[in-house]
Amino acid sequence: DAGITQSPRHKVTETGTPVTLRCHQTENHRYMYWYRQDPGHGLRLIHYSYGVKDTDKGEVSDGYSVSRSKTEDFLLTLESATSSQTSVYFCAISVKGAGGTEAFFGQGTRLTVV
Amino acid sequence: DAKTTQPPSMDCAEGRAANLPCNHSTISGNEYVYWYRQIHSQGPQYIIHGLKNNETNEMASLIITEDRKSSTLILPHATLRDTAVYYCIACEISSGSARQLTFGSGTQLTVLP
Repeated sequence: DAGITQSPRHKVTETGTPVTLRCHQTENHRYMYWYRQDPGHGLRLIHYSYGVKDTDKGEVSDGYSVSRSKTEDFLLTLESATSSQTSVYFCAISVKGAGGTEAFFGQGTRLTVV
Repeated sequence: DAKTTQPPSMDCAEGRAANLPCNHSTISGNEYVYWYRQIHSQGPQYIIHGLKNNETNEMASLIITEDRKSSTLILPHATLRDTAVYYCIACEISSGSARQLTFGSGTQLTVLP
């Protein structure tokens, strides 16, 4: 699992409340990613980071912000959760090897906004 | 990144080889073919990737046609635990960033006892 831990694994929150999801890695990888997965849409990239304090938007970044103050932690924040953000969220890291780059994913966080 | 086309679903008998096809007719010369799978409710798992040569690892084999317009992932002896959605992705990945990975609908492989 490349030392990736997501927390919490499950969360139910009310519309309009802020929510922060945490992704923690233990192997000092440079690149980290947040995806969401919804039925009929596959995995979609929300934000990614290419180093401490270096982040950029992905395909579906509206309503989300991220922060990376330490190499090992990549936080995803929903400033004011909406029902459309009910989803399964996956964190990932990528590792460059001799034959290319591989991505490794966490176990996911199931978020329900009621 | 090149678009890939996969059948939505396939069945395979336990113990037999599972051959999952993928079409990527618009692939460019520097795009790799990646395969991932996702077992229900878990995060995607890397399987294998290749550029133009056939590749084999402990999980699977990847056969890429000479013109690189299609490929086949082979699970040599499928088990019930191989039941998952398999994603074929064609993308140019360099410098360690994987933000180009785009997961489509994939193929739901069901291994039958």
